Amino acid sequence: SAVISQKPSRDICQRGTSLTIQCQVDSQVTMMFWYRQQPGQSLTLIATANQGSEATYESGFVIDKFPISRPNLTFSTLTVSNMSPEDSSIYLCSVEGFPGESNEKLFFGSGTQLSVL
Amino acid sequence: QKEVEQDPGPLSVPEGAIVSLNCTYSNSAFQYFMWYRQYSRKGPELLMYTYSSGNKEDGRFTAQVDKSSKYISLFIRDSQPSDSATYLCAMGGNTGFQKLVFGTGTRLLVSP
Repeated sequence: SAVISQKPSRDICQRGTSLTIQCQVDSQVTMMFWYRQQPGQSLTLIATANQGSEATYESGFVIDKFPISRPNLTFSTLTVSNMSPEDSSIYLCSVEGFPGESNEKLFFGSGTQLSVL
Repeated sequence: QKEVEQDPGPLSVPEGAIVSLNCTYSNSAFQYFMWYRQYSRKGPELLMYTYSSGNKEDGRFTAQVDKSSKYISLFIRDSQPSDSATYLCAMGGNTGFQKLVFGTGTRLLVSP
């Protein structure tokens, strides 16, 4: 089955710095999504990344804070900019379906555990 | 009030027990209902997917949806220590299932 690889798997960062998280899928997919999972909170969609167009951000999330790239159908990056301790969270890449699978499913990468000091 | 409510647990059971995990929701537009299992330091893994009301069974897992009560359940029979994980319910509606609304997750601990 298709695989979603995310890196880094975890990182500890200093306040004010930026971290770029990479998501690689071994099949071409149309839509890729970035979620945040804060401690004790539900998964929250940050943005939808489509190849060849600007990402679509959900309410409460802005491009300056979470710039996203989607250069091709198998890769995307999420940058967490000017980090503060409130950005400490798990960040998850997800895709809609895979070739051979029903598109009515959402699959996740293993996540990036980010801690900001 | 949250759109999806889920008891965070932890829920502790002995091996072999039947486990019942539940979520309630407020948005009557939800049509897609999913259960994800998330092990520590891993991403969520899709367990069960149900469209609209009814039951669905897959091995030891049974998902139930009661749209009239806005209530969904996941039953695990003959629970195993390997079932110890956090279980997330998720649901979506006409806006596209990819914009899912998740519960906060219930942590399940199955002791040998």
